Amino acid sequence: EAQVTQNPRYLITVTGKKLTVTCSQNMNHEYMSWYRQDPGLGLRQIYYSMNVEVTDKGDVPEGYKVSRKEKRNFPLILESPSPNQTSLYFCASSYSGTRSSPLHFGNGTRLTVT
Amino acid sequence: KNEVEQSPQNLTAQEGEFITINCSYSVGISALHWLQQHPGGGIVSLFMLSSGKKKHGRLIATINIQEKHSSLHITASHPRDSAVYICAVLSYNTDKLIFGTGTRLQVFP
Repeated sequence: EAQVTQNPRYLITVTGKKLTVTCSQNMNHEYMSWYRQDPGLGLRQIYYSMNVEVTDKGDVPEGYKVSRKEKRNFPLILESPSPNQTSLYFCASSYSGTRSSPLHFGNGTRLTVT
Repeated sequence: KNEVEQSPQNLTAQEGEFITINCSYSVGISALHWLQQHPGGGIVSLFMLSSGKKKHGRLIATINIQEKHSSLHITASHPRDSAVYICAVLSYNTDKLIFGTGTRLQVFP
């Protein structure tokens, strides 16, 4: 089944403890991206990647890192999480970018940083 | 003022009603996406369009580039259509997606 898989679904952690949220797609998509969703603010893009080894900042990249070593994987890394990074996170992919292809979303990761 | 505005923010309807959700934007765009977010949180892409009109089942999406406006219509609404509908535009200048804050739809039997 074609899908975007995010893990974990729920994560509670403490300030400063490094964490990684994994994202994997099995559709051979070139474009992958990370978003966070907060009440009243909607979805905001954190980072995106047009292809392997190519990543770019979105609108809210501060405090996050990403890597794209393989086409299928696009992990989101929080080196030193803070409470303001408590949010619902979504990974998404598309065949060739949002100009010409629909987005496929993962099921989301609800992160709480205490 | 947000670059992407959706209206209404909240919408309730009786089963069978015709629903319209509006999206207005203030930037030049390459494409517009309509997304559906279910109560459980999952997001599904409904449409991607850059001109004209698209139809999928009971859903119709239209866009007017000159007026910078798009509408999502649901015919013969059903309780399973209850969700948050999100409009997102791909900025022509920045090549980044800008999201609206969504329209929460509840359809009652």
